[in-house]
Amino acid sequence: GQQLNQSPQSMFIQEGEDVSMNCTSSSIFNTWLWYKQDPGEGPVLLIALYKAGELTSNGRLTAQFGITRKDSFLNISASIPSDVGIYFCAGNNNDMRFGAGTRLTVKP
Amino acid sequence: NAGVMQNPRHLVRRRGQEARLRCSPMKGHSHVYWYRQLPEEGLKFMVYLQKENIIDESGMPKERFSAEFPKEGPSILRIQQVVRGDSAAYFCASSPLEAAGNIQYFGAGTRLSVL
Repeated sequence: GQQLNQSPQSMFIQEGEDVSMNCTSSSIFNTWLWYKQDPGEGPVLLIALYKAGELTSNGRLTAQFGITRKDSFLNISASIPSDVGIYFCAGNNNDMRFGAGTRLTVKP
Repeated sequence: NAGVMQNPRHLVRRRGQEARLRCSPMKGHSHVYWYRQLPEEGLKFMVYLQKENIIDESGMPKERFSAEFPKEGPSILRIQQVVRGDSAAYFCASSPLEAAGNIQYFGAGTRLSVL
């Protein structure tokens, strides 16, 4: 099946630092999505990418749809404590597949 | 506009009992997906339903698990004769169109604990 490899698995950073995480796949996807999950809650959509090469921002978040359509990255600039959570990438064709998540800890 | 509603938020069952998890999609959404999440892991697709139809149940265990999305009312994920390994968070998502190219919106999940 379509496997997504998300890295890193976890990150421990200081408040104010920038964060970068990525997702790769052996398969092509038509859409890439990034979600954030807070403890005890469901995933919330952060950014959706629909075109190869597309670069999209949402506040301090920036995500790109890789030109090969097999990868995507998410950057968070100037992290703050409320950025803590698990970030999931998801690739979508006729169904959606999720990466295993990147667990972000931000130290004040 | 209410989001995806799941209930109960927490469910405790003893081994051998049945668990029923409910999901009401967002208004106007006719496609429902169920996912399972084990602690410290990602989301695993279980089943995709439209009204009165199961479209893809490739992620659903063959035994004890079933799902429905009736013409009226919420989608139900049913687990019969629960075992400890069924303990997990179960998330429902909905979308307005077919999954291809469209976004799924998630509920807050039901956390099932099997004693």
